Amino acid sequence: KNEVEQSPQNLTAQEGEFITINCSYSVGISALHWLQQHPGGGIVSLFMLSSGKKKHGRLIATINIQEKHSSLHITASHPRDSAVYICAGQFTDKLIFGTGTRLQVFP
Amino acid sequence: NAGVTQTPKFRILKIGQSMTLQCTQDMNHNYMYWYRQDPGMGLKLIYYSVGAGITDKGEVPNGYNVSRSTTEDFPLRLELAAPSQTSVYFCASLPVFAALVIYSPLHFGNGTRLTVT
Repeated sequence: KNEVEQSPQNLTAQEGEFITINCSYSVGISALHWLQQHPGGGIVSLFMLSSGKKKHGRLIATINIQEKHSSLHITASHPRDSAVYICAGQFTDKLIFGTGTRLQVFP
Repeated sequence: NAGVTQTPKFRILKIGQSMTLQCTQDMNHNYMYWYRQDPGMGLKLIYYSVGAGITDKGEVPNGYNVSRSTTEDFPLRLELAAPSQTSVYFCASLPVFAALVIYSPLHFGNGTRLTVT
């Protein structure tokens, strides 16, 4: 079965803290996506990974193919980072989503 | 480019009514997906398509139908609406199979909020 699991479900942080969100998946994945969903509901793509590491601003995404695990890191977190972060595994043609991590960053 | 356009944004249906949720993309993407998102829950795959004329079931296809007569359009049909179909529906698209490109971002529509009473 194609599965994607995320942890934690909820995360609170003080402004400036380093944040890590984890995603694990079952076999057969060809790529992993990280997305952000804002309170208004809109969903935007942050990263697509098939190996290694990618960085964009304060966001870093890594993937370990052997361990079937990916992480999203946010450095120097800010209240505007408050959102739901979602990982999605690409299993051949299907895209299966994790349940999301709700992040709240307080000033 | 408009990206992925979903209509309508909101709809209230009575039990047993039918409707079509529209999804159009102008990026010539091959892959298109329909998801539903229940309150506080993750996105569940309803149906997907890898190109015009090809569709397949996802995780939760019961009660829905789709068609893909063109690359641009991927409508989702609810034939006999039930309260369990109250949800927010998202359409998404991808250009090509991920392994063939360095970066293949997912594009999402803004969602359709459907209430069945």
